[in-house]
Amino acid sequence: EVQLVESGGGLVQPGGSLRLSCAASGFTFSSYWMSWVRQAPGKGLEWVANIKQDGSEKYYVDSVKGRFTISRDNAKNSLYLQMNSLRAEDTAVYYCARVVPYSSTFDYWGQGTLVTVSS
Amino acid sequence: QSVLTQPPSVSAAPGQKVTISCSGSSSNIGNNYVSWYQQLPGTAPKLLIYDNNKRPSGIPDRFSGSKSGTSATLGITGLQTGDEADYYCGTWDSSLFWVFGGGTKLTVL
Repeated sequence: EVQLVESGGGLVQPGGSLRLSCAASGFTFSSYWMSWVRQAPGKGLEWVANIKQDGSEKYYVDSVKGRFTISRDNAKNSLYLQMNSLRAEDTAVYYCARVVPYSSTFDYWGQGTLVTVSS
Repeated sequence: QSVLTQPPSVSAAPGQKVTISCSGSSSNIGNNYVSWYQQLPGTAPKLLIYDNNKRPSGIPDRFSGSKSGTSATLGITGLQTGDEADYYCGTWDSSLFWVFGGGTKLTVL
C-alpha cells in the first residue's frame, strides 16, 4: 500500500525557517517524480515544487523561488521541503504527492502538515 | 485567481446527476490531460479521474470525465450524501507547470 506521511509543520514567525519531511513507503520511491502541493486555509490547491527521480531537476512556483528548496533522499525514501524567509501568505497545509509518470496527475497524497506563519 | 476556472458551487438532490466544469486555455487543458480530485471535509485530496476520463482502481463508475478543446467536465451520477466534497481539476501548463482550478463545493440537498 502506497503511503506518504508528512511531518515538520508548526508555528513559525515571519522570516523564519522550517523543514518539512515526507516519508514514503509501499512503492519504489526512486522511480517517481515527487511534488509538494499546498492549501491555504479555506482556499484551493496550489502546486509548490517538483523534483525528478534522481534530484537532478527541480521546479518551483514563482512565489517560492529563492526561498524554498525541494530535495530527496532515495536511500531513506524521503522527500523534503526547506522553507526559508517564511511569510504570512505561506500559511497552509502542505501535502506531498506522487506524480504519475508521463502524466499531469498526482495519484497519491499524504495527509498533510500545517505550517502557520505568524508573530 | 486560479488559472483554471470552476464554478464555486453546485448542488443536486440524492440520486440525481451533476456536472462540474473546468475551463482553461491552449497552454494547459487544450494540450494536456486533465485530472480531477475529490477532497472530503478535513481530508487530503484523492485522485478521482486522470488522463481526462480514466478512473483509478476503486473509483466507482458513477464518476466520469470528459474533455473538449480547452474545457473539461466531471460528471457524477446517482448522487449520494457521501459525495459532498470539494472537487478540483488540475493539469499541466506550459508556462506555469502544474495548475489547479479554484475548486467546486458539491452540496447534495
